[in-house]
Amino acid sequence: DVKVTQSSRYLVKRTGEKVFLECVQDMDHENMFWYRQDPGLGLRLIYFSYDVKMKEKGDIPEGYSVSREKKERFSLILESASTNQTSMYLCASSLLVGTATSGSFDEQFFGPGTRLTVL
Amino acid sequence: RKEVEQDPGPFNVPEGATVAFNCTYSNSASQSFFWYRQDCRKEPKLLMSVYSSGNEDGRFTAQLNRASQYISLLIRDSKLSDSATYLCVVNMEMGRRALTFGSGTRLQVQP
Repeated sequence: DVKVTQSSRYLVKRTGEKVFLECVQDMDHENMFWYRQDPGLGLRLIYFSYDVKMKEKGDIPEGYSVSREKKERFSLILESASTNQTSMYLCASSLLVGTATSGSFDEQFFGPGTRLTVL
Repeated sequence: RKEVEQDPGPFNVPEGATVAFNCTYSNSASQSFFWYRQDCRKEPKLLMSVYSSGNEDGRFTAQLNRASQYISLLIRDSKLSDSATYLCVVNMEMGRRALTFGSGTRLQVQP
């Protein structure tokens, strides 16, 4: 059974703190993604990675960075948390079908999410 | 204008009803389309891909209208368990391995 796990379900941090969100997948997927989900705005892509040490900015990368040192693990880092980063954070992974710049899209498998509150 | 637009609902329908959702997308060059389902307080899961010729999976039918740039999802014989938020998903940029999610349409099936 496919599985994407996230390090915490709930997290409370203070403004200015450095925050690490961890995501691990056990499906040997090449692609991994970080999204945030807010009411009325849906899922918005923060960063994604299609290979170890490779990353690409999504639609809202400001205030975030990522790290992918191993294929199964993709970390999201908030260098200095702010209240507007309070959100639900979802990690996902998928197979790479074709090449990194062309090909089709395979199903994305999501983790259970981390509800982050920044006070 | 949002890149992927959906009516947020909620659509309140009785059990057994047929219900349809539409989703419009802004990039005429988009090639890949999906419907995901998200239950309350759960993660999204793939419901079905949408193919050019339309496709059916049991009670669910998905269609693509390229000329008008929308996709649709039809649910027949609604069940209580169909209550969820349905997310329209589109690839908006060729050569980029990322998808754009709509904000979802909420369906509530009532007994």
